[in-house]
Amino acid sequence: QQQVKQSPQSLIVQKGGIPIINCAYENTAFDYFPWYQQFPGKGPALLIAIRPDVSEKKEGRFTISFNKSAKQFSLHIMDSQPGDSATYFCAASRHRTGNQFYFGTGTSLTVIP
Amino acid sequence: DGGITQSPKYLFRKEGQNVTLSCEQNLNHDAMYWYRQDPGQGLRLIYYSQIVNDFQKGDIAEGYSVSREKKESFPLTVTSAQKNPTAFYLCASRRGQGYNEQFFGPGTRLTVL
Repeated sequence: QQQVKQSPQSLIVQKGGIPIINCAYENTAFDYFPWYQQFPGKGPALLIAIRPDVSEKKEGRFTISFNKSAKQFSLHIMDSQPGDSATYFCAASRHRTGNQFYFGTGTSLTVIP
Repeated sequence: DGGITQSPKYLFRKEGQNVTLSCEQNLNHDAMYWYRQDPGQGLRLIYYSQIVNDFQKGDIAEGYSVSREKKESFPLTVTSAQKNPTAFYLCASRRGQGYNEQFFGPGTRLTVL
């Protein structure tokens, strides 16, 4: 059973657009929600993460929106650039006993110049 | 430079052969992880280790084995019992309990012929 559900599977936007990737989870014990960026043939790199005590976190052009009641969180990429073309993964874990991370299935983003 | 190294980057093996993937970290992290990545399936946890000489099975441990004899090393053996071993394998580490961020290595692509 997929602990974290991610959509869409792929996304194509024009340069300057705002792609939005969504994730949903069921386990209310999760309290750490990171997003990873992965380029082809490379390992994932942490992009931004949020804890459920805030509804939004922004780092540069990347923003996480978090809806605790709906058990959903999303990644927004402002002013997207061709260099943002990559696969994005959301994940969830428990902060204090976070031995396991549960990953979404990934979203392949293409930003067209 | 601190980080996680995985070797080799590409590995080819004949069906029925065991193969060992290397993962080394010099971050002084307590926890280490092995994931398998297949197209459209995200990252699936194979094994993880919180401390030296201790490790736990993840969601897809069948056909794999690990050891954690040293803090900095967490090798993964893909045995002949693994039905479909061709995949991209990622090693990761985390500082320890109470620390959230997980760092990934560059990955090893294993192809079984």
